[in-house]
Amino acid sequence: GQQVMQIPQYQHVQEGEDFTTYCNSSTTLSNIQWYKQRPGGHPVFLIQLVKSGEVKKQKRLTFQFGEAKKNSSLHITATQTTDVGTYFCAGDNYGQNFVFGPGTRLSVLP
Amino acid sequence: DTAVSQTPKYLVTQMGNDKSIKCEQNLGHDTMYWYKQDSKKFLKIMFSYNNKELIINETVPNRFSPKSPDKAHLNLHINSLELGDSAVYFCASSPGGWSAYNQPQHFGDGTRLSIL
Repeated sequence: GQQVMQIPQYQHVQEGEDFTTYCNSSTTLSNIQWYKQRPGGHPVFLIQLVKSGEVKKQKRLTFQFGEAKKNSSLHITATQTTDVGTYFCAGDNYGQNFVFGPGTRLSVLP
Repeated sequence: DTAVSQTPKYLVTQMGNDKSIKCEQNLGHDTMYWYKQDSKKFLKIMFSYNNKELIINETVPNRFSPKSPDKAHLNLHINSLELGDSAVYFCASSPGGWSAYNQPQHFGDGTRLSIL
């Protein structure tokens, strides 16, 4: 079945440093979504990527979808303490199923 | 004004009991979901309902049964609770369409279920 992996599992950064998490799917995806979950909170939708090679930006966050539509990345520039949380990618396998990656837990040290 | 609301927020109960978790959304969405998040934070989809039709059931034990009285509600009933059922259960909804999975999902605050 479809598998979605994320690396790294954990990342500790100093405030102001950059952060990147990578998402890889075992199958080609029709779209990929990214969610953020704060400690003790619920997942919150960040963005959806649909097109091959697509790049989207939200302030300090940059999202990319690979050319083969099997991988994606989220890059945060100059992290802040408010960026703390777990970042999940979730892949849609053309309506067959929808799988969340295991998440990358980000800690930001002030 | 809460978009997706779940009750109760916390549920502590004994092994073998039957319990229900309620979920309501006021977003007018067509599709609702139940997810289980275990202690390692893995999020696994359990069910989704589109216009009161079950469209997915991911190898979940039949002790779990979703019930949808209307498209704004998707309740989760669990029979004969086991220790391994301890987790956080999230309800979510999305606008739906021909493929529910190409729409952003809105999550409730979660129900923390602890089995003694």
